[in-house]
Amino acid sequence: DQQVKQNSPSLSVQEGRISILNCDYTNSMFDYFLWYKKYPAEGPTFLISISSIKDKNEDGRFTVFLNKSAKHLSLHIVPSQPGDSAVYFCAATGGTSYGKLTFGQGTILTVHP
Amino acid sequence: SAVISQKPSRDICQRGTSLTIQCQVDSQVTMMFWYRQQPGQSLTLIATANQGSEATYESGFVIDKFPISRPNLTFSTLTVSNMSPEDSSIYLCSVEEGLAVADTQYFGPGTRLTVL
Repeated sequence: DQQVKQNSPSLSVQEGRISILNCDYTNSMFDYFLWYKKYPAEGPTFLISISSIKDKNEDGRFTVFLNKSAKHLSLHIVPSQPGDSAVYFCAATGGTSYGKLTFGQGTILTVHP
Repeated sequence: SAVISQKPSRDICQRGTSLTIQCQVDSQVTMMFWYRQQPGQSLTLIATANQGSEATYESGFVIDKFPISRPNLTFSTLTVSNMSPEDSSIYLCSVEEGLAVADTQYFGPGTRLTVL
């Protein structure tokens, strides 16, 4: 039972353009969502999070949007840079599962110069 | 955020042996976790490492296979016992910072384990 899904295994974007990474969840108890970036041979690096009381959170080039009715969140990166090329994971927690992150499968983002 | 280190960074082991992975944090943290990332897969929580008491394991993971120690608020170990090739994964520890109900987890660099 995949409670957090990232349906796009990969995404290719030109430098300077917008990257949009999507994530869907099924567990209605989830109310805190996080995005992580992971380079090969490194641990995941925290990027940005959003609580279910908000529908948008912004930090520099990164914005996360949350649509609770659709159980969908997205990460926008504007403008995309070649250094953003990595695997991006969304994760969720909430209800009786606080502290336990449930991860999506990840999306490989490639930003071309 | 806390600085997290793991030892070893990678290892190649023979089946049937055991490997202990160490996780060290540069500050005291209440919550520490161990995750596994199998090849081509996502991260899966193995257990919560509780200071001074037994770890809390997720479904599918048992103490005999993955014994965990948490002697203090800055250190934890995960042992992968009686290894088989299916245990080849990246093992990651994470810590949760903050006092809110839901807080951000920060990850160590991971230990890449290959079992032959």
